[in-house]
Amino acid sequence: KNQVEQSPQSLIILEGKNCTLQCNYTVSPFSNLRWYKQDTGRGPVSLTIMTFSENTKSNGRYTATLDADTKQSSLHITASQLSDSASYICVVSRDTGGFKTIFGAGTRLFVKA
Amino acid sequence: DTGVSQDPRHKITKRGQNVTFRCDPISEHNRLYWYRQTLGQGPEFLTYFQNEAQLEKSRLLSDRFSAERPKGSFSTLEIQRTEQGDSAMYLCASSFTGATREEQYFGPGTRLTVT
Repeated sequence: KNQVEQSPQSLIILEGKNCTLQCNYTVSPFSNLRWYKQDTGRGPVSLTIMTFSENTKSNGRYTATLDADTKQSSLHITASQLSDSASYICVVSRDTGGFKTIFGAGTRLFVKA
Repeated sequence: DTGVSQDPRHKITKRGQNVTFRCDPISEHNRLYWYRQTLGQGPEFLTYFQNEAQLEKSRLLSDRFSAERPKGSFSTLEIQRTEQGDSAMYLCASSFTGATREEQYFGPGTRLTVT
C-alpha cells in the first residue's frame, strides 16, 4: 500500500533551536518528494522538491534530504523562528500514467519564545 | 499569496443542502486539482483536470460530488445533499505541465461546516 508516514506528530521547540522532521514512504514507483509548510487555516506552500537523483535541497533555513534507497526523507530547520510554527507536510508522487500524489499527515511544529 | 484563489473561504450549511465552491487557478496553469483535508490530516486527493478534461477521480469522490472545469480555466466543486462527514477544508491547487518541475500551487482553501 502506498503510504507516507511522518514523525513526530507534533514538536515543541524554543526559538533559535534547530529541529529535524522525518518522513518515511512506501510509495512506488517514485517520481518526486516535496515538503510543504501549511499555516493554520491556509493552503500548503512548497518548500522543496527532490527527484530520485537528488539527496539534498535547501531553501533558506530549510534543508531537505532524501535517501531513495531507504525511502526516507528529512526536513531540517535551522535557527527556528516563531513564524516557523506550522504543519510540515511530506508529499510523494508516483511516476505512473495518471497522477498520484500521497500526502503525509504532517508534523505540527510549535516554536516558543 | 500563491495566485490561486478560492471562494468562498468559509461556508456553513445545513445537512442536506447543496454547496458549490469555486477555484481560480494561476492563469497559465493547465492542471487543476481538488483535495479535501480534515483536521490533523494531510490533504486527500479528490480529482484533477488537465485543461477542461477531468482525468482522474478518487474513490473519495462519491456520486454526491461533482467537479467541472468547463473552459479549462476556473473550476467548481459541488456537493449535493451535504452530510456532516463532508465538513472539511477543500483545497484547490494548480500546476503547469510544461515546467521543468511540475509544482503545485495551493489556494487558501474553503472551509465547509455542515451542521
